Amino acid sequence: GAGVSQSPRYKVAKRGQDVALRCDPISGHVSLFWYQQALGQGPEFLTYFQNEAQLDKSGLPSDRFFAERPEGSVSTLKIQRTQQEDSAVYLCASSLALRPEALHFGNGTRLTVT
Amino acid sequence: GQQVMQIPQYQHVQEGEDFTTYCNSSTTLSNIQWYKQRPGGHPVFLIQLVKSGEVKKQKRLTFQFGEAKKNSSLHITATQTTDVGTYFCAGRASGTSYGKLTFGQGTILTVHP
Repeated sequence: GAGVSQSPRYKVAKRGQDVALRCDPISGHVSLFWYQQALGQGPEFLTYFQNEAQLDKSGLPSDRFFAERPEGSVSTLKIQRTQQEDSAVYLCASSLALRPEALHFGNGTRLTVT
Repeated sequence: GQQVMQIPQYQHVQEGEDFTTYCNSSTTLSNIQWYKQRPGGHPVFLIQLVKSGEVKKQKRLTFQFGEAKKNSSLHITATQTTDVGTYFCAGRASGTSYGKLTFGQGTILTVHP
């Protein structure tokens, strides 16, 4: 079956531009997560949804970062006024259960801010 | 905040040798998960441990969760070239939201044939 799908695969933005990253979770998965992975580091938690409810957004680094999942399926991570330190791979993951166990990651979006 | 440290950062082995990576948390964990990430790929779930002192095996891989639920290890017996990748532990601190996992920085394993 289809896995977690993320688009675009690569995004280059000029500093100050806004970007929107899309995540299509595995069908039927209740929980959805966004993580940020810098080069050579482990993924860092950004935010977490259960259906359409954003239950934890404590990892969002600033108010320039915003995530939504309005219908409990597709999610969008938006970054406003991008800065160079935002350059990273943004990973989306989904999980079947309300109490997440295995996270199924997508291939990520590599964002480069120039 | 919670910190999860992994050692070693890098490990180079000859094919057939064993490999172990260790994970230590600054706080007590509710559970710990292990993931493998191949070069250029995304993290792939390997296992979750929940109980104090728990040991689980998957073929050549053995996972342990410490008695105090603050550390964990992954041991690979007789490594193969297909084991190449970065191994991450990820833990959920007690009292935090179910969705918030803190990942270690990973151990990069290379296997020489």
